[in-house]
Amino acid sequence: SYELTQPPSVSVSPGQTASITCSGDKLGDKYACWYQQKPGQSPVLVIYQNHKRPSGIPERFSGSNSGNTATLTISGTQAMDEAAYYCQAWDSNTGVFGGGTKLTVL
Amino acid sequence: EVQLVQSGAEVKKPGESLRISCEGSGYTFTIYWITWVRQMPGKGLEWMGRIDPIDSYTNYSPSFQGHVTISADKSISTAYLQWSSLKASDTAIYYCARISGSSLDYYMDVWGKGTTVTVSS
Repeated sequence: SYELTQPPSVSVSPGQTASITCSGDKLGDKYACWYQQKPGQSPVLVIYQNHKRPSGIPERFSGSNSGNTATLTISGTQAMDEAAYYCQAWDSNTGVFGGGTKLTVL
Repeated sequence: EVQLVQSGAEVKKPGESLRISCEGSGYTFTIYWITWVRQMPGKGLEWMGRIDPIDSYTNYSPSFQGHVTISADKSISTAYLQWSSLKASDTAIYYCARISGSSLDYYMDVWGKGTTVTVSS
């Protein structure tokens, strides 16, 4: 079965740029999306179609996808961005999530 | 407002059956697939399966095939997730989500608040 691999944790200082990677076999041939989940809350879509932002998502969130790696980039990271982030893609009509990355802003 | 309203928390014993629900409102329910996602305590998101409400066509993750059943009643804009015999390992939060996009580009743009299922003897 298809697998997506994320680092368990990433740390960033406020105002700096955070990058969270998601690796999968030929992931660049698929569309990747990203979800943010804060403790006790439902996930929220932050990036779809590799790089598009839903309405209401700040411009500091951006995405890319090439080769075997999709990347979520948060520019000018704020304390409110501290959360778990999950990448997700589809393979043979089956949804697949990465294991999630805990972003710590310190 | 587009929203998915999920049924309330459940506490069950092993071996019991259960059906939880997800009601869509603020949009045309039959246009969008509904998916179910599991989150075990302290763990990540797991995709379980999805349903097309217009004809109830479903497909499941291999990890959940045969263990749960996804169904829908389009007349009341509601999708369901059910178990015939619960296990302690089914203890989790279950989210429903709306799937938007097209065949290669699906994404989950609206999420319910989750239903907590606790299975304990």
